[in-house]
This record gives sequence, C-alpha cells and structure tokens, in this order.
Amino acid sequence: DIQMTQSPSSLSASVGDRVTITCRASQGISNYLAWYQQKPGKVPKLLIYAASTLQSGVPSRFSGSGSGTDFTLTISSLQPEDVATYYCQKYNSAPFTFGGGTKVEIK
Amino acid sequence: QVQLVQSGAEVKKPGSSVKVSCKASGGTFSSYAISWVRQAPGQGLEWMGRIIPILGIANYAQKFQGRVTITADKSTSTAYMELSSLRSEDTAVYYCARATTVTTPFDYWGQGTLVTVSS
Repeated sequence: DIQMTQSPSSLSASVGDRVTITCRASQGISNYLAWYQQKPGKVPKLLIYAASTLQSGVPSRFSGSGSGTDFTLTISSLQPEDVATYYCQKYNSAPFTFGGGTKVEIK
Repeated sequence: QVQLVQSGAEVKKPGSSVKVSCKASGGTFSSYAISWVRQAPGQGLEWMGRIIPILGIANYAQKFQGRVTITADKSTSTAYMELSSLRSEDTAVYYCARATTVTTPFDYWGQGTLVTVSS
C-alpha cells in the first residue's frame, strides 16, 4: 500500500506568515491528492483536491501544488481562524490513506 | 444540499460489536461512494473502508479485514459500518464521508459517532 508522509507534524507561526506543509507519497499518485482542514472538535473539511484545485468557498490564501509523489499546501498569510490540523489524502485507489497530520498553531 | 446524519454515541464491552449508521439526504445515494474513517482520541484520520451502493461492492483497509463490514440500504439511503471483536483501541470517533465517484475526495462528512469500548 502507498504510504503518505506529512511534514512537519506541527508548526507555530505568526499571523500573516507564509506557511508550507509538505506531503510525500511512497509511490506516484498523479494529482489524486486532497487536503483537509480539521479544527479542534470539528469534522474534517475538504480544502483542496486534484492537488491544486480549491474547494468552493475556501479562501484564496490556501493553495496546493505538486504531482506524482511530492505535494505542498501553502497558506499565504496565516490567520487566527486557520488554527487546525491539516491532512493530506490520496484518493486514486483504495486504500484512501491519510497523512499523519500537521498541527498549525499561532505563535 | 447533501447531508450525512450518523447514529448516536455507543458504549460497548470488549469483544462485542457495534453498528453505526449514516443516513444520506440530497443527491443520488446509489451513485456515491461512502467511506468510513475513524479518529482515535488525539490521533489522525484512518480510512477503514468504503461501499459503492449502486454496485453493492465494499473495499476494506487491510488492517480491518475480517473485522469490519460495510453495507448500504438503497431504499433508505443509509450506509452502515459494523465493527466486531471490539477492543479498547477501537475507542474513537467514527465518520462516514461521501465521494461523488470512485476517484474523488470526500466532500461531505457525517457529524461523527463516538464509540467507547470499556469494560
């Protein structure tokens, strides 16, 4: 099975900072990569799919890039409401494995 | 608007089974893929398996093979996840989630069902 590895596992940044999270697949998955945001105590929410396509309603400060095995989620200007754990997920075929998550906090 | 409404919290004894339901409204239930994802306390998301109701075919994560059964009732637009031989490590919030096709991500999620396994 393909493994999904995220880094870092946590980060702390200031409001307005640019934040980058990486996700690596153990084998190529083309662009079948999604990013989810999970705020504390809440249900995961789809942010980005097809590696770089923003889900409807997601602020434009979020962006995604990558293809094959290496992917990136970027928050261009971190806001207090972005405090959450972010997960990547492969969805080209079962099993639909998630990365371990990256917890984003405000410094 | 698609909604997935799950059954309520459960407390189970070790060795027993639990069956969680996920009722869908909006959209065409049979054509979705419904996955089950669990999250242990303080841990990440773990995909357990999925069903495609129109085909009646289920796929399971290897970790849960033989212990999980996912079914769907098209007449009531409800998916079910049954996990057997429960142990304390199965204590988690269990989510159902929808994908519009077999190769799309999970765009709608249920509210989650807390299953607590305790003697």
